[in-house]
Amino acid sequence: DTEVTQTPKHLVMGMTNKKSLKCEQHMGHRAMYWYKQKAKKPPELMFVYSYEKLSINESVPSRFSPECPNSSLLNLHLHALQPEDSALYLCASSQEGGSSYEQYFGPGTRLTVT
Amino acid sequence: GESVGLHLPTLSVQEGDNSIINCAYSNSASDYFIWYKQESGKGPQFIIDIRSNMDKRQGQRVTVLLNKTVKHLSLQIAATQPGDSAVYFCAENRLMDSSYKLIFGSGTRLLVRP
Repeated sequence: DTEVTQTPKHLVMGMTNKKSLKCEQHMGHRAMYWYKQKAKKPPELMFVYSYEKLSINESVPSRFSPECPNSSLLNLHLHALQPEDSALYLCASSQEGGSSYEQYFGPGTRLTVT
Repeated sequence: GESVGLHLPTLSVQEGDNSIINCAYSNSASDYFIWYKQESGKGPQFIIDIRSNMDKRQGQRVTVLLNKTVKHLSLQIAATQPGDSAVYFCAENRLMDSSYKLIFGSGTRLLVRP
């Protein structure tokens, strides 16, 4: 199984809402990632978890709050978002967080903030 | 600043022809590179990777070439098919602040004409 799953596929939320994005993998990978992708742009790294600990935060605003409950799950909690946060949010995983491990991506959650 | 970039934003090829997508990188210390394919509405899909101790790597209908002297990476697709139509990203796994991060190029859209 080389699949990374993400839910929901689409999400529309108001600026005062609180919502969560979920990601799951069962490949035994120990590194998991959140990326943000705007239209016609490459993915941009937001957070990296390695062995369930946050190892990289790319200066992401605090209205995005990641959580890694266990080695298979990764959440992204959203609160008080802005319309410019509308984007495709991608989750990825890799065997380790080192230099030579390919990252497997999920299908993404298309987020629209109204 | 250092970056991974692509020379052509859009490439149009005839079905059955070979496609070549190019990528330039500027960090000579990077030692691992990946090509991803992203179809509309989907997450990036791993195609092929190459480490810096190699010049060439072949997969099924795809070949990646790495020229470290000029810091250039290319993806060759043989006998291009309609299903190859997508955006292709090169990515560099770069050591930054003691952590490895995947840095994507700007992407090339491949259009396959029937």
